[in-house]
Amino acid sequence: GQNIDQPTEMTATEGAIVQINCTYQTSGFNGLFWYQQHAGEAPTFLSYNVLDGLEEKGRFSSFLSRSKGYSYLLLKELQMKDSASYLCALMDSNYQLIWGAGTKLIIKP
Amino acid sequence: TAGITQAPTSQILAAGRSMTLRCTQDMRHNAMYWYRQDLGLGLRLIHYSNTAGTTGKGEVPDGYSVSRANTDDFPLTLASAVPSQTSVYFCASSDSPGAGNTGELFFGEGSRLTVL
Repeated sequence: GQNIDQPTEMTATEGAIVQINCTYQTSGFNGLFWYQQHAGEAPTFLSYNVLDGLEEKGRFSSFLSRSKGYSYLLLKELQMKDSASYLCALMDSNYQLIWGAGTKLIIKP
Repeated sequence: TAGITQAPTSQILAAGRSMTLRCTQDMRHNAMYWYRQDLGLGLRLIHYSNTAGTTGKGEVPDGYSVSRANTDDFPLTLASAVPSQTSVYFCASSDSPGAGNTGELFFGEGSRLTVL
């Protein structure tokens, strides 16, 4: 079967770095996405990984290891506006997205 | 640019009544999707359409129907609403994944539905 796990909630301090992990099990793989969702708003695209390694995009980076079924989203220089839920989603062999339940990130001053 | 538009943004509905949630996109995306999002469960796919004229069932299709008469519109209908259909509904669209496209989803702002 297919399964995605990510922590339910994390807390970090403004200006610090936080890593949000996502582990998955799947028989087919066509990429892994990270989305950001502020409370009461729609999810918005952050990153896409299909090959192993690190993709950097400003303060946000995403890492993928296909052999380990593991990805993480790294947020640097945290700002209060980064308080949101972060959704990990796996694209399976049929190009369908399997979503994790999301990690609620709380940023404290 | 409008992107993807949903209506209504919020609705309270009596159980047993029917309701259609509207979704329109202007990005000429082939694929469109309806998700529901409930606390602690993440996004669950209700129905999808890979191209105009075709639809498919997602993870939780029961009690819902869709149509895709053209590229831009993808309405979701609840024929006889039940309280368990109280949720936030998101419509999304994407280019067809593959051939250089990631299949990144663009979401509407959501429709909050309460069934009493």
